[in-house]
Amino acid sequence: DTEVTQTPKHLVMGMTNKKSLKCEQHMGHRAMYWYKQKAKKPPELMFVYSYEKLSINESVPSRFSPECPNSSLLNLHLHALQPEDSALYLCASSQTGRETQYFGPGTRLLVL
Amino acid sequence: QKEVEQDPGPLSVPEGAIVSLNCTYSNSAFQYFMWYRQYSRKGPELLMYTYSSGNKEDGRFTAQVDKSSKYISLFIRDSQPSDSATYLCAMSADGNKLVFGAGTILRVKS
Repeated sequence: DTEVTQTPKHLVMGMTNKKSLKCEQHMGHRAMYWYKQKAKKPPELMFVYSYEKLSINESVPSRFSPECPNSSLLNLHLHALQPEDSALYLCASSQTGRETQYFGPGTRLLVL
Repeated sequence: QKEVEQDPGPLSVPEGAIVSLNCTYSNSAFQYFMWYRQYSRKGPELLMYTYSSGNKEDGRFTAQVDKSSKYISLFIRDSQPSDSATYLCAMSADGNKLVFGAGTILRVKS
């Protein structure tokens, strides 16, 4: 089973709201990722967690705050977002960070 | 110049055709090569994974990596309308930071 689940599927939020995206995998993978994908563009890496520690932050604005509570869960906390942050947010995982990545279905975010 | 170049298409073929999708890259440190398929409004789905050079076959799909030419390919045999999607090549030097191509839109007409 190579399933990565993400909730919610869709999210609409105002610029003053605080919301969180959730990602879960039960494959025993120890590396987890957040990507942002705009329409008709490839995914762009945001954050990498390796063994529950943040190992890569691709200069993402502080209004995005990742959290890895345990080896199966990855959250992305959102606060004071801008309309240009509207996108598909994808979570992925890999076994140790040196193998291929498996993606979840994504959360489609709209910021009004 | 982008690290990974991929023709965005769209590529339109009749059902049953052999499809060839390609990417070129400039970073000689890349050693992990992947092809993902992405349907509209869905997450990318892993199709093929190759470490270093060589060929790999899985059903109707064949992936080729030529590191000397910095060129990778995905072949789809007996293409079906259900293969209509965006195909993304992705590669990495360390397995962590994936660099994606722009994605090629494929349309298979019945």
